[in-house]
Amino acid sequence: ETGVTQSPTHLIKTRGQQVTLRCSSQSGHNTVSWYQQALGQGPQFIFQYYREEENGRGNFPPRFSGLQFPNYSSELNVNALELDDSALYLCASSLGGTPGPGYTFGSGTRLTVV
Amino acid sequence: KNEVEQSPQNLTAQEGEFITINCSYSVGISALHWLQQHPGGGIVSLFMLSSGKKKHGRLIATINIQEKHSSLHITASHPRDSAVYICAPQGSGGSNYKLTFGKGTLLTVNP
Repeated sequence: ETGVTQSPTHLIKTRGQQVTLRCSSQSGHNTVSWYQQALGQGPQFIFQYYREEENGRGNFPPRFSGLQFPNYSSELNVNALELDDSALYLCASSLGGTPGPGYTFGSGTRLTVV
Repeated sequence: KNEVEQSPQNLTAQEGEFITINCSYSVGISALHWLQQHPGGGIVSLFMLSSGKKKHGRLIATINIQEKHSSLHITASHPRDSAVYICAPQGSGGSNYKLTFGKGTLLTVNP
Protein backbone atom coordinates (compact mmCIF):
# COMPACT_ATOMS: atom_id res chain seq x y z
CA GLU A 1 0.00 0.00 0.00
CA THR A 2 1.37 3.43 -0.90
CA GLY A 3 -1.28 5.54 0.87
CA VAL A 4 -2.75 8.75 -0.54
CA THR A 5 -0.30 11.16 -2.14
CA GLN A 6 -0.97 14.77 -3.05
CA SER A 7 0.99 17.17 -5.20
CA PRO A 8 2.28 19.75 -4.97
CA THR A 9 2.76 20.15 -1.22
CA HIS A 10 2.86 23.94 -1.38
CA LEU A 11 1.76 26.41 -4.04
CA ILE A 12 1.60 30.18 -4.36
CA LYS A 13 -0.74 31.69 -6.95
CA THR A 14 -1.94 35.16 -7.86
CA ARG A 15 -5.58 36.22 -7.59
CA GLY A 16 -7.43 35.46 -10.82
CA GLN A 17 -5.18 32.59 -11.83
CA GLN A 18 -6.18 28.94 -12.16
CA VAL A 19 -4.73 26.01 -10.21
CA THR A 20 -4.76 22.22 -10.49
CA LEU A 21 -4.12 20.00 -7.49
CA ARG A 22 -3.52 16.28 -7.79
CA CYS A 23 -4.31 13.26 -5.65
CA SER A 24 -3.36 9.62 -6.05
CA SER A 25 -5.71 7.36 -4.17
CA GLN A 26 -4.65 4.43 -2.03
CA SER A 27 -4.25 1.19 -3.93
CA GLY A 28 -7.61 -0.59 -4.19
CA HIS A 29 -9.68 2.52 -3.49
CA ASN A 30 -12.12 3.82 -6.14
CA THR A 31 -13.49 6.89 -4.34
CA VAL A 32 -11.79 10.25 -3.79
CA SER A 33 -13.12 13.15 -1.71
CA TRP A 34 -11.72 16.66 -1.63
CA TYR A 35 -11.81 19.03 1.35
CA GLN A 36 -10.81 22.64 1.98
CA GLN A 37 -9.40 23.51 5.40
CA ALA A 38 -8.99 27.17 6.25
CA LEU A 39 -6.60 28.11 9.03
CA GLY A 40 -8.01 27.24 12.44
CA GLN A 41 -11.09 25.55 11.00
CA GLY A 42 -12.20 22.00 10.36
CA PRO A 43 -12.16 20.69 6.78
CA GLN A 44 -15.12 21.56 4.54
CA PHE A 45 -16.36 19.01 1.98
CA ILE A 46 -15.90 20.16 -1.63
CA PHE A 47 -16.93 17.10 -3.65
CA GLN A 48 -16.48 13.39 -4.09
CA TYR A 49 -15.73 11.23 -7.13
CA TYR A 50 -16.70 7.58 -7.38
CA ARG A 51 -15.75 5.52 -10.43
CA GLU A 52 -14.97 8.67 -12.44
CA GLU A 53 -18.31 10.40 -11.69
CA GLU A 54 -19.01 13.19 -9.20
CA ASN A 55 -21.42 11.64 -6.71
CA GLY A 56 -21.64 14.38 -4.11
CA ARG A 57 -20.88 18.08 -3.79
CA GLY A 58 -20.66 20.54 -0.93
CA ASN A 59 -21.44 24.25 -0.91
CA PHE A 60 -18.70 25.41 -3.27
CA PRO A 61 -19.12 27.51 -6.44
CA PRO A 62 -18.74 26.00 -9.94
CA ARG A 63 -15.25 27.44 -10.30
CA PHE A 64 -14.25 24.47 -8.12
CA SER A 65 -14.28 21.46 -10.44
CA GLY A 66 -12.72 18.05 -10.53
CA LEU A 67 -11.91 14.93 -12.44
CA GLN A 68 -11.28 11.32 -11.62
CA PHE A 69 -9.25 9.16 -13.96
CA PRO A 70 -9.56 5.43 -14.79
CA ASN A 71 -6.78 4.66 -12.29
CA TYR A 72 -8.92 6.52 -9.68
CA SER A 73 -6.46 9.35 -9.21
CA SER A 74 -8.12 12.75 -9.13
CA GLU A 75 -7.62 16.43 -9.83
CA LEU A 76 -9.13 19.49 -8.19
CA ASN A 77 -9.26 22.58 -10.42
CA VAL A 78 -9.98 26.05 -9.12
CA ASN A 79 -10.53 28.88 -11.59
CA ALA A 80 -10.44 32.64 -10.97
CA LEU A 81 -8.63 32.27 -7.67
CA GLU A 82 -9.68 34.53 -4.81
CA LEU A 83 -7.72 35.45 -1.69
CA ASP A 84 -10.18 33.40 0.42
CA ASP A 85 -9.21 30.27 -1.51
CA SER A 86 -5.98 30.24 0.49
CA ALA A 87 -6.21 27.03 2.52
CA LEU A 88 -5.00 23.48 2.97
CA TYR A 89 -6.64 21.21 0.39
CA LEU A 90 -6.97 17.60 1.48
CA CYS A 91 -8.02 14.57 -0.44
CA ALA A 92 -9.11 11.26 1.00
CA SER A 93 -9.76 7.91 -0.60
CA SER A 94 -12.02 4.99 0.20
CA LEU A 95 -13.75 2.04 -1.42
CA GLY A 96 -17.38 1.91 -2.44
CA GLY A 97 -18.57 5.47 -2.86
CA THR A 98 -18.67 6.55 0.78
CA PRO A 99 -16.13 7.23 3.54
CA GLY A 100 -15.72 3.83 5.11
CA PRO A 101 -13.33 1.82 7.22
CA GLY A 102 -9.80 2.62 6.15
CA TYR A 103 -10.71 6.12 4.98
CA THR A 104 -7.26 7.50 4.17
CA PHE A 105 -6.18 11.12 3.90
CA GLY A 106 -3.29 12.66 2.05
CA SER A 107 -1.00 15.21 3.68
CA GLY A 108 -2.57 18.05 1.74
CA THR A 109 -1.60 20.86 -0.58
CA ARG A 110 -1.18 24.26 1.04
CA LEU A 111 -2.38 26.91 -1.44
CA THR A 112 -1.60 30.57 -0.88
CA VAL A 113 -3.32 33.14 -3.10
CA VAL A 114 -1.70 36.57 -3.14
CA LYS B 1 -25.87 26.59 15.77
CA ASN B 2 -23.07 24.55 14.18
CA GLU B 3 -24.01 21.05 13.10
CA VAL B 4 -21.05 19.62 15.01
CA GLU B 5 -19.88 20.92 18.38
CA GLN B 6 -16.72 19.69 20.06
CA SER B 7 -15.56 20.38 23.59
CA PRO B 8 -13.22 21.43 24.88
CA GLN B 9 -11.60 23.45 22.11
CA ASN B 10 -8.24 23.30 23.86
CA LEU B 11 -7.02 20.79 26.41
CA THR B 12 -3.72 20.64 28.25
CA ALA B 13 -2.88 17.53 30.26
CA GLN B 14 0.02 15.99 32.12
CA GLU B 15 1.48 12.74 30.88
CA GLY B 16 -0.49 9.80 32.23
CA GLU B 17 -3.80 11.62 32.61
CA PHE B 18 -7.11 10.27 31.27
CA ILE B 19 -8.45 12.47 28.48
CA THR B 20 -12.03 12.90 27.27
CA ILE B 21 -13.10 14.86 24.19
CA ASN B 22 -16.80 15.29 23.51
CA CYS B 23 -18.74 15.70 20.27
CA SER B 24 -22.39 16.61 19.80
CA TYR B 25 -24.13 16.74 16.45
CA SER B 26 -27.55 17.82 15.29
CA VAL B 27 -28.20 15.82 12.12
CA GLY B 28 -29.01 12.20 11.41
CA ILE B 29 -25.95 10.16 10.68
CA SER B 30 -24.94 6.81 9.25
CA ALA B 31 -21.64 6.74 11.17
CA LEU B 32 -19.21 8.99 13.00
CA HIS B 33 -15.47 9.31 12.44
CA TRP B 34 -12.79 10.38 14.86
CA LEU B 35 -9.68 11.75 13.20
CA GLN B 36 -6.28 12.95 14.39
CA GLN B 37 -4.45 15.83 12.73
CA HIS B 38 -0.84 16.67 13.45
CA PRO B 39 0.83 20.04 12.78
CA GLY B 40 1.54 20.28 9.07
CA GLY B 41 -1.82 18.89 8.10
CA GLY B 42 -1.75 15.10 7.83
CA ILE B 43 -5.00 13.49 9.01
CA VAL B 44 -5.23 9.95 10.33
CA SER B 45 -8.50 8.10 10.74
CA LEU B 46 -8.78 6.72 14.29
CA PHE B 47 -12.29 5.29 14.41
CA MET B 48 -15.43 4.88 12.40
CA LEU B 49 -18.40 3.84 14.51
CA SER B 50 -22.15 3.70 14.19
CA SER B 51 -23.06 2.32 17.61
CA GLY B 52 -21.63 1.35 20.97
CA LYS B 53 -17.93 1.46 21.62
CA LYS B 54 -14.64 0.75 19.90
CA LYS B 55 -11.18 0.39 21.40
CA HIS B 56 -7.76 0.57 19.78
CA GLY B 57 -4.80 0.51 22.08
CA ARG B 58 -5.14 3.40 24.54
CA LEU B 59 -7.94 5.03 22.55
CA ILE B 60 -11.63 4.38 23.15
CA ALA B 61 -14.54 5.87 21.20
CA THR B 62 -18.18 5.70 22.22
CA ILE B 63 -21.35 6.88 20.58
CA ASN B 64 -24.94 7.35 21.73
CA ILE B 65 -27.09 7.67 18.62
CA GLN B 66 -30.26 8.62 20.53
CA GLU B 67 -28.49 11.49 22.31
CA LYS B 68 -26.46 12.46 19.20
CA HIS B 69 -23.26 12.41 21.23
CA SER B 70 -19.86 10.75 20.95
CA SER B 71 -16.76 10.76 23.10
CA LEU B 72 -13.11 9.98 22.49
CA HIS B 73 -11.08 8.85 25.47
CA ILE B 74 -7.32 8.50 25.76
CA THR B 75 -6.01 6.48 28.66
CA ALA B 76 -2.50 7.03 30.06
CA SER B 77 -1.91 10.02 27.79
CA HIS B 78 1.56 10.59 26.34
CA PRO B 79 3.23 13.65 24.76
CA ARG B 80 3.04 11.92 21.37
CA ASP B 81 -0.76 12.10 21.66
CA SER B 82 -0.50 15.89 21.25
CA ALA B 83 -2.51 16.73 18.14
CA VAL B 84 -5.87 18.09 17.00
CA TYR B 85 -8.70 15.58 17.37
CA ILE B 86 -11.62 16.01 15.02
CA CYS B 87 -15.11 14.56 15.16
CA ALA B 88 -16.78 14.06 11.77
CA PRO B 89 -20.31 12.71 11.49
CA GLN B 90 -21.13 11.00 8.20
CA GLY B 91 -24.45 11.86 6.56
CA SER B 92 -27.25 9.38 6.22
CA GLY B 93 -29.34 8.31 3.26
CA GLY B 94 -28.56 10.33 0.14
CA SER B 95 -25.90 12.32 2.01
CA ASN B 96 -23.89 9.34 3.22
CA TYR B 97 -20.95 10.37 1.01
CA LYS B 98 -20.30 13.46 3.11
CA LEU B 99 -18.44 14.08 6.36
CA THR B 100 -19.18 17.22 8.35
CA PHE B 101 -16.21 18.17 10.50
CA GLY B 102 -16.07 19.76 13.90
CA LYS B 103 -13.49 22.50 14.49
CA GLY B 104 -11.36 20.09 16.45
CA THR B 105 -9.89 19.86 19.93
CA LEU B 106 -6.25 20.83 20.35
CA LEU B 107 -4.69 18.45 22.86
CA THR B 108 -1.31 19.17 24.40
CA VAL B 109 0.18 16.54 26.68
CA ASN B 110 3.13 17.74 28.75
CA PRO B 111 5.82 15.38 30.04
